Amino acid sequence: EVQLVESGGGLVKPGGSLRLSCAGSGFTFSNGWMNWVRQAPGKGLEWVGRIKSKPDGGTTDYAASVKGRFTISRDDSKNTVWLQMNSLKTEETAMYYCTVGAMSDYWGQGTLVTVSP
Amino acid sequence: EIVLTQSPDTLSLSPGERATLSCRASQSVSNNYLGWYQQKPGQAPRLLIYGASTRATGIPDRFSGSGSGTDFTLTISRLEPEDFAVYYCQQYGTSPLTFGGGTKVEIK
Repeated sequence: EVQLVESGGGLVKPGGSLRLSCAGSGFTFSNGWMNWVRQAPGKGLEWVGRIKSKPDGGTTDYAASVKGRFTISRDDSKNTVWLQMNSLKTEETAMYYCTVGAMSDYWGQGTLVTVSP
Repeated sequence: EIVLTQSPDTLSLSPGERATLSCRASQSVSNNYLGWYQQKPGQAPRLLIYGASTRATGIPDRFSGSGSGTDFTLTISRLEPEDFAVYYCQQYGTSPLTFGGGTKVEIK
């Protein structure tokens, strides 16, 4: 059974930083394209970014709204992907989901990030 | 970036009725890499359809996807009580990946 478990969410002040983690199991992690998707309270889904598998180049792509402030990385030996978030804004308060697959076949339950003074 | 517009915003139907949801893209979706997701309150989204028309593992056959290019449709042939939820489309063929704004299917 595929499992994705996010952690690292919490309360942070505007301009602050936070690093989210996502641990995967039940699939060959090293072959998985890993995405981060967020959802502000009561709003729709927003794709944040992804990291491809190393066999597919290991490259990253980001939404324009986070490019230059957020960084996605992975350690296949730990079956973990991270989302480093810097210069956070209040409007980035959201549930952050980790997903696997080019089309987000599987989703974690999310970790809540609150950006507030 | 490719903008996806879903319509209608809300669909009010009764159990047993047919639901037809639309997703229109601002430009052609590469390789018809279009997915549909279902989200219930307090839960993470779940993949229903990928490649515009292929059901994901374990998805009942009352869910079907169709379309190509810029116009896509999700059809639920006969609504079950558990199908009342919010549905999103996403294109994953061109970076940045983008989601539509969602359609809420509510009980009439």
